[in-house]
Amino acid sequence: SDDLIQPPTVSVSPGQTAKITCSGDTLPRQFVHWYQQKPGQAPVLVMYKDTERPSGIPERFSGFNSGTTVTLAISGVRAEDETDYYCHSSDSGGDYVLFGGGTKLTVL
Amino acid sequence: QVQIVQSGAEVKKPGASVKVSCKPSGYSFTAFALHWVRQAPGQGLEWLGRIHVGRGETQYSQKFRGRLTISRDTSASIATLALSSLRSEDTAVYYCARDASPHCDTTPCSVAESWGLDVWGQGTTVTISS
Repeated sequence: SDDLIQPPTVSVSPGQTAKITCSGDTLPRQFVHWYQQKPGQAPVLVMYKDTERPSGIPERFSGFNSGTTVTLAISGVRAEDETDYYCHSSDSGGDYVLFGGGTKLTVL
Repeated sequence: QVQIVQSGAEVKKPGASVKVSCKPSGYSFTAFALHWVRQAPGQGLEWLGRIHVGRGETQYSQKFRGRLTISRDTSASIATLALSSLRSEDTAVYYCARDASPHCDTTPCSVAESWGLDVWGQGTTVTISS
C-alpha cells in the first residue's frame, strides 16, 4: 500500500517532547516532508527530506528516519505548537504526491 | 520577498467548471515546480497535481485525471488550475505551492525529487452550490 499513516492525535505536556509519526511501505525509498498548519492559514514547511530543517524553523523541530516510519519531534513543546501536522511523500513509483491524514497535536 | 498570490473566491453550480490562478513573485518563475493542493472543510490536505514550470510537463492525481488541467503562462508568470464537472465534494480551499527543489528548472525531475512545498499561496475558496 502507498498510504501514509499518521496518528490522529498526539498529546504532550508543555516542555516535553512531542513525537509525530508517519508510516508507510514506501518510506524506505522516498523522502518525507512535514507541514504545520494553523487554523485558517496555509501550511508551513517545517522539515524536508526527512531530517532537513528550513531556515527560520526553530531548532526544537527535528526529524528522524527509521525505515518504514519517519518521525517529527518537537522538543520543549509550547502552547503555540498546538495545531495540525501533515506528512508528505511520494508513491512507490515516484509519480504522485501522498499526504498523511494529519495529526492534531494537543498541548495539555 | 518570495510570495504566491492566488485569484479570488469562486462560487459555482454543480456541473460547471472553475479556473484558479496563482502568480508567484520574488524568484524566477521557471526555476521551480508548482503544485496544487486542496483542503475540504475540516479535512486534510489532498494533492491534485504538479507542473514542471520550466518544461511545461504535468502530473495529475489519478483521482482527478480527465477533469483537471494545470497550465502555465511563462510570459505572464501565472499558473492556472482548471477543474471541470464540479460536484459538491469539490468544495474546498485550493492552494498553489512552490516545490523547494532547485533541480526542477529546465532539467527533468520527478515528483519524488521534491524538497517539500516551501511557499504557499493564500488559498482560494471554491464553493459548489446549486
